[in-house]
Amino acid sequence: DAGVTQSPTHLIKTRGQQVTLRCSPISGHKSVSWYQQVLGQGPQFIFQYYEKEERGRGNFPDRFSARQFPNYSSELNVNALLLGDSALYLCASSPMGQGNQPQHFGDGTRLSIL
Amino acid sequence: AQSVSQHNHHVILSEAASLELGCNYSYGGTVNLFWYVQYPGQHLQLLLKYFSGDPLVKGIKGFEAEFIKSKFSFNLRKPSVQWSDTAEYFCAVSRSGGSYIPTFGRGTSLIVHP
Repeated sequence: DAGVTQSPTHLIKTRGQQVTLRCSPISGHKSVSWYQQVLGQGPQFIFQYYEKEERGRGNFPDRFSARQFPNYSSELNVNALLLGDSALYLCASSPMGQGNQPQHFGDGTRLSIL
Repeated sequence: AQSVSQHNHHVILSEAASLELGCNYSYGGTVNLFWYVQYPGQHLQLLLKYFSGDPLVKGIKGFEAEFIKSKFSFNLRKPSVQWSDTAEYFCAVSRSGGSYIPTFGRGTSLIVHP
């Protein structure tokens, strides 16, 4: 079975631009979460979506937004990019998004801001 | 807000040595606890988890962890490490019930020399 897939794998943008990252969850998983991982740190929670509705939001500015589609895939959008947005963006899926369900992670999108 | 502390940022061991990685969290309520591992070039994957019951949980590849509620700790152990255990290890905590907002520690980099 295919795991969580993310695209693109790498992306280079300049300050002020906008970016869209994509994620397809494991088949049968209805919940998708997004994380930001800065070098040397653990993943930091950005959003969780379940059944197309936002279920949780981390401490990120409004420049970050996301949505989930009827097929449970998801997009993360970041507007007005800053140098500090350079990071690995991880997508994870779980069957129902409950706290006792482990996350299944993708390989991530490496975003570099110049 | 909950927080997770991993005290050992870098650990270097020789093969056959014993391993213990510390993890402490700050939340006083009921929690779900996880250890994730990221092998070089691979995505994050679940090593083991604790929700309730026996506080000593066993995971894959000979790893185990013990939940000590009074110490707010969930330390990871392995009696004899192998070169293939070289990886980044992350402790994560989520609250039981309510919205799911997981918190990860900053990770411990383990290098095992053959």
